[in-house]
Amino acid sequence: KAGVTQTPRYLIKTRGQQVTLSCSPISGHRSVSWYQQTPGQGLQFLFEYFSETQRNKGNFPGRFSGRQFSNSRSEMNVSTLELGDSALYLCASSNPGLVNYEQYFGPGTRLTVT
Amino acid sequence: QKEVEQNSGPLSVPEGAIASLNCTYSDRVSQSFFWYRQYSGKSPELIMSIYSNGDKEDGRFTAQLNKASQYVSLLIRDSQPSDSATYLCAVNEDSNYQLIWGAGTKLIIKP
Repeated sequence: KAGVTQTPRYLIKTRGQQVTLSCSPISGHRSVSWYQQTPGQGLQFLFEYFSETQRNKGNFPGRFSGRQFSNSRSEMNVSTLELGDSALYLCASSNPGLVNYEQYFGPGTRLTVT
Repeated sequence: QKEVEQNSGPLSVPEGAIASLNCTYSDRVSQSFFWYRQYSGKSPELIMSIYSNGDKEDGRFTAQLNKASQYVSLLIRDSQPSDSATYLCAVNEDSNYQLIWGAGTKLIIKP
């Protein structure tokens, strides 16, 4: 079974621009979670989507948004980029029908804001 | 505020020894517990999950859960240099659609 895929893998943007990242979950997984990871802050939860609905959201400004499509693919968007948005953005998919709620990560998108 | 705490390390262990990684969590209703391994520059990889009190073994890895003490640990037997990584502990309660993550413990296996 194919794993979680994320595109693009690397991205360089300038301050003020916006960016869209894409995540395709494992086939059959309907939940997608997004995380931001920086060296000083560890894994920070952005949001979780299930069946096109955002069920939970972390403590990030409104510049960070996401959506999920009917095929469970998900995108996240960051508008008006700031230098502090430079990070590794990870998505993880899971199958909430199971009790265990195991999450499987994609390779991540490394965003650099200059 | 639900929290998961881990010693940030680095934890240095000689090759061939047992590495012991610990994690405590604040929420008594937590039901699912996970250990992830993350190599530098890579994404986290699930290595163990545990849901019931006691031990769960998978190869060289053993996860131990004590819900009364709100404590979960990971033992790595016969540690290898390739085990050098950051180990992340994550906890889930079914009523919340997210995992709560520890900051990770950096493990260094010295040849």
